[in-house]
Amino acid sequence: VQLVESGGGLIQPGRSLRLSCAASRFTFDDYAMHWVRQAPGKGLEWVSSISWNSNIIRYAESVKGRFSISRDNAKNLLYLQMNNLKAEDTALYYCVKGPYINVGGNHFDYWGQGTLVSVSS
Amino acid sequence: QSVLAQPPSASGTPGQRVTISCSGSSSNIGGNDVSWYQQFPGTTPKLLTYSDNRRPSGVPDRISASKSGTSASLAISGLQSEDEADYFCAAWDDSLSGYVFGTGTKVTVL
Repeated sequence: VQLVESGGGLIQPGRSLRLSCAASRFTFDDYAMHWVRQAPGKGLEWVSSISWNSNIIRYAESVKGRFSISRDNAKNLLYLQMNNLKAEDTALYYCVKGPYINVGGNHFDYWGQGTLVSVSS
Repeated sequence: QSVLAQPPSASGTPGQRVTISCSGSSSNIGGNDVSWYQQFPGTTPKLLTYSDNRRPSGVPDRISASKSGTSASLAISGLQSEDEADYFCAAWDDSLSGYVFGTGTKVTVL
């Protein structure tokens, strides 16, 4: 399993950013996918999840209404569109694979290396 | 935000057994599977146990996990210097319709 995130960087508050995750070495459309973030020196925080067919999508309260998760199964890509970014969104964003097709009730089995998002003026 | 409570630190000498607790509620640990993750400084988290007490291939059997009611625990037997890391528990939360992580525990080998 290989998960490679991209799209992070330094961005001003209120602006938008789109993260991408390129998945390989597994059948991408057989699994739910997730975004998990980690602020510098802090713990893990779940951000969003999407089922194999995009029918089930969930967001953490802290990002609901601002972030949007999506996937392109034909291209083996996972996305996170982040709008109206805030300083508290500063974190390393991990692309994470789930063990089954659906969201909920299970775990995270493979993690990417992460892409850093820094929100600052 | 972290909904699952873990002690900030735990320690032991080589060869000892260390246990880390993870306290939640009926909407998360009490009704759903618990998983544990190990993270070394500057590296990506790694799945250590899942479905309350199962280990992925490659995780040594001196690592074990259990669950009782709304609490879970991770035990490391025969503690080794390579076990120094941060450990996080996680579970699905039915009330939040999302995943929750523990606050994290830093294990130190004395």
